[in-house]
Amino acid sequence: AQSVTQPDIHITVSEGASLELRCNYSYGATPYLFWYVQSPGQGLQLLLKYFSGDTLVQGIKGFEAEFKRSQSSFNLRKPSVHWSDAAEYFCAVGAGAAGNKLTFGGGTRVLVKP
Amino acid sequence: EPEVTQTPSHQVTQMGQEVILRCVPISNHLYFYWYRQILGQKVEFLVSFYNNEISEKSEIFDDQFSVERPDGSNFTLKIRSTKLEDSAMYFCASSWEGTTDTQYFGPGTRLTVL
Repeated sequence: AQSVTQPDIHITVSEGASLELRCNYSYGATPYLFWYVQSPGQGLQLLLKYFSGDTLVQGIKGFEAEFKRSQSSFNLRKPSVHWSDAAEYFCAVGAGAAGNKLTFGGGTRVLVKP
Repeated sequence: EPEVTQTPSHQVTQMGQEVILRCVPISNHLYFYWYRQILGQKVEFLVSFYNNEISEKSEIFDDQFSVERPDGSNFTLKIRSTKLEDSAMYFCASSWEGTTDTQYFGPGTRLTVL
């Protein structure tokens, strides 16, 4: 069965500093990987996804993520955080050809200090 | 930009009552999903729906739950006899394709069972 772990429940970062959110997955086949962001009162918005090809994926809002098969990781990064990046971030793995469902990690809440 | 909408945003009900949560997926999408997030826990897959039938469901989706696409635009989740443990945020999502496409999420309905 697939699973996702986000080791950090909360991260506090200063505005302008870099951000890295960790995600580790467990899946027997080639994973389909996603990062979603949820702002208060909002739904889940897709930041980026990885299906195949280049292991460094660019997303919206200046985010990028790198797929590392050897480490079963898909960490999300942003070089310079803005106050509007304060939100909860979810990593998810899709089953690909085995089915449609997404399995989510527990989320990481990001607080941005001025 | 097209988006998934959900109504109501918050539903309060008494234990044992039936509730129907409504979703309007993105208009040209073919796959529809329900997820839920109990407060403080992970987002969990409930069910996926394609071509007017359930394509996949989780263990959570027991006989108390049902889904329907009653017309060309709405997608509903019914809980026949609500329990306290059904209190959660329920997210609807839709996608154009199934296994490899992005799922677009609505803002959620917060269900509170008293």
